[in-house]
Parts: sequence; structure tokens; C-alpha cells
Amino acid sequence: NAGVTQTPKFQVLKTGQSMTLQCAQDMNHEYMSWYRQDPGMGLRLIHYSVGAGITDQGEVPNGYNVSRSTTEDFPLRLLSAAPSQTSVYFCASSWASGRAVVQFFGPGTRLTVL
Amino acid sequence: AQTVTQSQPEMSVQEAETVTLSCTYDTSENNYYLFWYKQPPSRQMILVIRQEAYKQQNATENRFSVNFQKAAKSFSLKISDSQLGDTAMYFCAFDLYGGATNKLIFGTGTLLAVQP
Repeated sequence: NAGVTQTPKFQVLKTGQSMTLQCAQDMNHEYMSWYRQDPGMGLRLIHYSVGAGITDQGEVPNGYNVSRSTTEDFPLRLLSAAPSQTSVYFCASSWASGRAVVQFFGPGTRLTVL
Repeated sequence: AQTVTQSQPEMSVQEAETVTLSCTYDTSENNYYLFWYKQPPSRQMILVIRQEAYKQQNATENRFSVNFQKAAKSFSLKISDSQLGDTAMYFCAFDLYGGATNKLIFGTGTLLAVQP
């Protein structure tokens, strides 16, 4: 198992550009999420998915789109990048059975918007 | 809405000593889960310990233990016999579903430096 993989590791965009941050997991986890981490603010939930075809908004969804066409992949799209979206982005996946929970975070993508 | 507060932005401890990181939270729910995550300079998020609110017994994982005070809505992390590898940012987090649905609410973090 490769766990949770994120690509790219680093990205620099200009204001107004669009891009997709990729997230994939090979553990057949139902639940996947995207968080952003800003200095002094901890991690905040952007979007999450409880299974293929099902997504919902988190705390800070504006400016981001997601889709979950397969169990494995959960891409995050920035439609028109803004400097306020400069951040480190983490993807996470998890699985639960009864009270047992297995959770993984990806290594993060550092995004800079100029 | 739930909130998580970590009031210590930075802390320092000598190697081999004990340190306690503070966390308070606010919720109107009775059943929930609390977590401590470690984020070393590599940025990888690592689950340190997990506490279920319905369990009165404090969770422990080797040198890491928590003091869970449900009535006071307090959830502190104690690190015993601190090691240089414990240097990291530590986040307290809250979830209604045990982390299963990945809808965690995080505090702002405490940067811990272990001094040799």
C-alpha cells in the first residue's frame, strides 16, 4: 500500500490561473477530505467525501471544487487562484469498522499564488 | 458549532523531562472524540493519541498520556521522558465520529521544542 499520495509537492501559480491538486489512496477507504493549513490557524476542512459520488462542503469551501468519481481519487480544483489560497494542502483518508478507525494523511502540497 | 483552543503557541522542555500541552474545546454534544496529532518539520501529520468522550479512563500511548476532564472540557497531553524527536507542532482536534469521516476540527497548534 502506498497510503495517501498527493501531487504535486510544490506549486507556484499566478493569480487567476486554475489547477488541480491530486489525491489518491489505495486502501479502499470510504472517507476522504481536504484541509488547508495556514500559519497560526491550524488545519481547516475544505471539502470532504463519504464515498464515490458523494461530496460536501467543509468550513472553508469557497474557491474550491471537488469530485469523487472513484473510491481511490479525490482531486481538489482551484478555479481561479487567489493569493489568499496560498497555503499547505493536506488530503486525508479513513476507514471505520465499529469503533476501530484507521486514518491517514498525505504528505501535503505547498501552494503559492503570486 | 464546536471549537478547539490551544492557548500555548510555543513551549520548550529539556530532554528527559515531562511537559504538558493544554487544549480546551467547546461542544454541546455528549458523545465525541478528541485527538492529539504531531507534525514534525517533515509536515507529515501523525496521530499521537485518541480519546473517546464516553470513556472515563484517560488514553495512554507509551510516553504520551492525556488528562481528559469532560466537565471542564479540557484535554491536555503529557509527554514523559521527552526526546529530541518529539520536537514538532502538536495539534489538538475534535470529531463527532471518531475521525472516521475525516471532519476534524483542529486547534491552532503548539510548537514544542525539546532542548538537549
